[in-house]
Amino acid sequence: GNSVTQMEGPVTLSEEAFLTINCTYTATGYPSLFWYVQYPGEGLQLLLKATKADDKGSNKGFEATYRKETTSFHLEKGSVQVSDSAVYFCALRMNYGGATNKLIFGTGTLLAVQP
Amino acid sequence: DAGVIQSPRHEVTEMGQEVTLRCKPISGHDYLFWYRQTMMRGLELLIYFNNNVPIDDSGMPEDRFSAKMPNASFSTLKIQPSEPRDSAVYFCASSLAGGASYEQYFGPGTRLTVT
Repeated sequence: GNSVTQMEGPVTLSEEAFLTINCTYTATGYPSLFWYVQYPGEGLQLLLKATKADDKGSNKGFEATYRKETTSFHLEKGSVQVSDSAVYFCALRMNYGGATNKLIFGTGTLLAVQP
Repeated sequence: DAGVIQSPRHEVTEMGQEVTLRCKPISGHDYLFWYRQTMMRGLELLIYFNNNVPIDDSGMPEDRFSAKMPNASFSTLKIQPSEPRDSAVYFCASSLAGGASYEQYFGPGTRLTVT
């Protein structure tokens, strides 16, 4: 079946460090890929997305590139801030079939940035 | 737009009591999703609706859980009788039907504690 695998957390970094959170997926077709972020005490919100191979999603200094050959969508940021501390979820949505509006989420990765 | 609205934000109840969680989706959205989030199981999709009709309820844990969507602007998730293992944060999300701009918008969640 379709699934998303994320690196285990927590990830603890110092301010201005480089961030990578790994995400790989298994899908029977060609999904759209998403990163959602959940700040403490809040619901999830979309951070960025990519709808086809080689697309790069970007927002707020975060980037992720849809790599079909490695079935990956790793999240990166060049210089993290304390305010980036949150849980990050990788997700996919299949672009065909009966359940095209259902998101399949990874388990989430907690990022803690220290000043 | 006010976003997805959930009530109550916090609910504390005793085991065996009935609990009703409420959700108002974003106006014009035709999909509504109920999720549950716990430390042990992460984020789980319980059920989702399209145009007020339940499409997939395979994530509903057992018969004690039920969900309704009587109209396009209101949905409820009911647990009866409640048990301590139901303690979790319950999220409602809404979206428009597919397309490249697809995004699920999450509410702030209801934190349920069953003692």
